[in-house]
Amino acid sequence: DGGITQSPKYLFRKEGQNVTLSCEQNLNHDAMYWYRQDPGQGLRLIYYSQIVNDFQKGDIAEGYSVSREKKESFPLTVTSAQKNPTAFYLCASSENTGELFFGEGSRLTVL
Amino acid sequence: GQNIDQPTEMTATEGAIVQINCTYQTSGFNGLFWYQQHAGEAPTFLSYNVLDGLEEKGRFSSFLSRSKGYSYLLLKELQMKDSASYLCAVRTLTGGGNKLTFGTGTQLKVEL
Repeated sequence: DGGITQSPKYLFRKEGQNVTLSCEQNLNHDAMYWYRQDPGQGLRLIYYSQIVNDFQKGDIAEGYSVSREKKESFPLTVTSAQKNPTAFYLCASSENTGELFFGEGSRLTVL
Repeated sequence: GQNIDQPTEMTATEGAIVQINCTYQTSGFNGLFWYQQHAGEAPTFLSYNVLDGLEEKGRFSSFLSRSKGYSYLLLKELQMKDSASYLCAVRTLTGGGNKLTFGTGTQLKVEL
């Protein structure tokens, strides 16, 4: 079945460590997105990509990095420069004019 | 930038009708989406409007007025399972492509 797979579902990290969240889609969508959600809050856009080898900063890109080397993959690295990384991270994809399809999310906790 | 406003919380009774409003200010408007999100889960798509007017989809309807920067989601025949957060999201066309920005969500509680 087509869909979006995020891994890991839960991740614990020590302060000062970088961590990479995986996002893979087999929907053949051009566009992919990363959002962050904090408790009781809406979704805030970190990075988005419309085509391979191109991506744009969202509203809260500081402390994060991404790559888009393949159409189906859009990994997010949470770097040690991110001051408050504990959050629920959601990856999504869409055709350029369509709705977003979301993965199940990755919950990152910094110890 | 974008500014998207929706009420933080609403409470309604099972079987009733509830309307959740969303106002926005943006440039490059290219559509408005409504999503439902249950606690701890990913959002699921409910509706999409790009032209003015009402879109109906079973118990859910969504309305858009682009000139007023206003949308609402109407839920009819409320059920307990409709208790969730409802997210309004605006799509804008930027130099880097389409960007979808979400409001903070409206937490709906359905009571007996």
